Amino acid sequence: DTGVSQNPRHKITKRGQNVTFRCDPISEHNRLYWYRQTLGQGPEFLTYFQNEAQLEKSRLLSDRFSAERPKGSFSTLEIQRTEQGDSAMYLCASSSWDRGDGNQPQHFGDGTRLSIL
Amino acid sequence: LAKTTQPISMDSYEGQEVNITCSHNNIATNDYITWYQQFPSQGPRFIIQGYKTKVTNEVASLFIPADRKSSTLSLPRVSLSDTAVYYCLVGENNDMRFGAGTRLTVKP
Repeated sequence: DTGVSQNPRHKITKRGQNVTFRCDPISEHNRLYWYRQTLGQGPEFLTYFQNEAQLEKSRLLSDRFSAERPKGSFSTLEIQRTEQGDSAMYLCASSSWDRGDGNQPQHFGDGTRLSIL
Repeated sequence: LAKTTQPISMDSYEGQEVNITCSHNNIATNDYITWYQQFPSQGPRFIIQGYKTKVTNEVASLFIPADRKSSTLSLPRVSLSDTAVYYCLVGENNDMRFGAGTRLTVKP
């Protein structure tokens, strides 16, 4: 179990640029989640996938945010036309799910910290 | 969705037992109770999960009364390295809503 891996760990960019983050989940996990965390707050859920299907995306923060998981393995989160308010930690988590086991806990990566200049 | 309420901060000393209580008055029948620990610049780490009564693992115990409207995370004999933020979550694992958590400070 190598854990959830996120890259890059830090990203600094200018306002208006597009950024993309990558998440590699625990290999046997079929669910993958994205969160945003600002200083002093708990993580805020954004979206999640089961295999390649995006099952919830209504809580993405705006239409500038999008996520993909094309082959049901790694995922990318893209933010277009970044704004200063997008500065935050972006966390990825994964879990296993099937009808028999049901509710398995999520395992988190250590996040990508985005700073908008 | 059930909202959780937990103390903003707690202080303790090394070697003491720490109990952090979380209120979740409108917990739903299918909801589990899950606790996470988070250190600065790291992602949350799963501690323990339960549905009812008591659950114990190698690092913590979780006590859940019969009405399930609250839960208590118990950390035995804390050390300085247990200084962290602790989150209580209620719900299905595909729809977790974190609050601000409890900042635990362990002093020597």
